[in-house]
Amino acid sequence: AQKITQTQPGMFVQEKEAVTLDCTYDTSDQSYGLFWYKQPSSGEMIFLIYQGSYDEQNATEGRYSLNFQKARKSANLVISASQLGDSAMYFCAMREGRDNTGKLIFGQGTTLQVKP
Amino acid sequence: NAGVTQTPKFQVLKTGQSMTLQCAQDMNHNSMYWYRQDPGMGLRLIYYSASEGTTDKGEVPNGYNVSRLNKREFSLRLESAAPSQTSVYFCASSEPPGPTNEKLFFGSGTQLSVL
Repeated sequence: AQKITQTQPGMFVQEKEAVTLDCTYDTSDQSYGLFWYKQPSSGEMIFLIYQGSYDEQNATEGRYSLNFQKARKSANLVISASQLGDSAMYFCAMREGRDNTGKLIFGQGTTLQVKP
Repeated sequence: NAGVTQTPKFQVLKTGQSMTLQCAQDMNHNSMYWYRQDPGMGLRLIYYSASEGTTDKGEVPNGYNVSRLNKREFSLRLESAAPSQTSVYFCASSEPPGPTNEKLFFGSGTQLSVL
């Protein structure tokens, strides 16, 4: 079974609008972490946001927020006020267990295109 | 402010050739990782090193070996390259577990083609 599922292979959004990228996860661990990374066409992996399983508040980093719904096992990324530079591939990832920092399981990614 | 440095950036090998991918980090991180990314897919963990002197297999270790040379450096070796190892390879390092934020720092990647 897939541990991280990103069901949207590709998404379009109009510049300045908000967009939600979906991510669901599967784990039996009580302690885990959820990440979003951005990969522009240049290929580097850019950290966006992190949510710990015990964090009660949704994580926010500037225009990025993580809509964490623990009971539904979802960790959707919300990008507000989209910019042309947001066009990229976005990966959701999970760290299982408390001591496995850096051992991430990645989803297959969602390609986001921002239209001017 | 180098972060994680990988060399080379590009490499073409013939089947059966060997090579070593080099990785160094200057952030004093204990843990380092090697991932591979196949076209249209997310990253998969090959090997990791939780601390200097230790290495462990990840999800896809077959055909690879690693060496944690010191705290800064973590190399990945392909002893006999196969076309199935054509991929983009990322080295990464991580901060120690903390109460709030966690982050994995990635190098810029090595694009490897095996013909």
